[in-house]
Amino acid sequence: EIVLTQSPGTLSLSPGERATLSCRASQSVSSSYLAWYQQKPGQAPRLLIYGASSRATGIPDRFSGSGSGTDFTLTISRLEPEDFAVYYCQQYGSSPPGTFGQGTKVEIK
Amino acid sequence: EVQLVQSGAEVKKPGESLKISCKGSGYSFTSYWIGWVRQMPGKGLEWMGIIYPGDSDTRYSPSFQGQVTISADKSISTAYLQWSSLKASDTAMYYCARSPQSHWFDPWGQGTLVTVSS
Repeated sequence: EIVLTQSPGTLSLSPGERATLSCRASQSVSSSYLAWYQQKPGQAPRLLIYGASSRATGIPDRFSGSGSGTDFTLTISRLEPEDFAVYYCQQYGSSPPGTFGQGTKVEIK
Repeated sequence: EVQLVQSGAEVKKPGESLKISCKGSGYSFTSYWIGWVRQMPGKGLEWMGIIYPGDSDTRYSPSFQGQVTISADKSISTAYLQWSSLKASDTAMYYCARSPQSHWFDPWGQGTLVTVSS
């Protein structure tokens, strides 16, 4: 089973700043089968990125994904107030199970 | 609009059985996988298992194999997650989500909160 480790655990930033979130896999994720989700309190997760770098429908272009192999990154170019949330990565190249990372919380500084 | 609507919150006692549901609409229910994800209070997301309603092909995470049963009734576009004997540690929010080719999840249902307490 592939283990995903996200860092940092918490990111304290101000609106307008750039956020860089990391997701590292315990072994190579085949075909860049990695997704990113956003979850706000009391809400279901929402897909942001799939295939490591493809934005889901309706996702603003300030969200971008990159990486391959074992190292992946989600970048939010300029944080908007609605972007403060918890972010999860998920690999689905070696499934089942399609494991999730433990999450990174982006909080207002 | 593609939608997954889950059944309502449940409060159960240890040892009781439970079946929660997830109804899909706005797309061909038999052409996409439906997955289940657990989120324990204050914790992260856990991939439980996934089913292809077209032929009922079902796959489980080793962590959940034997602990839950995933099924689907394609005639009513509904997937299910069931327990035969609940434990207090099953207390969590459970989400269903649509998945193309057993890949990423989009969209997600609103979640079903299951509380198991004596």
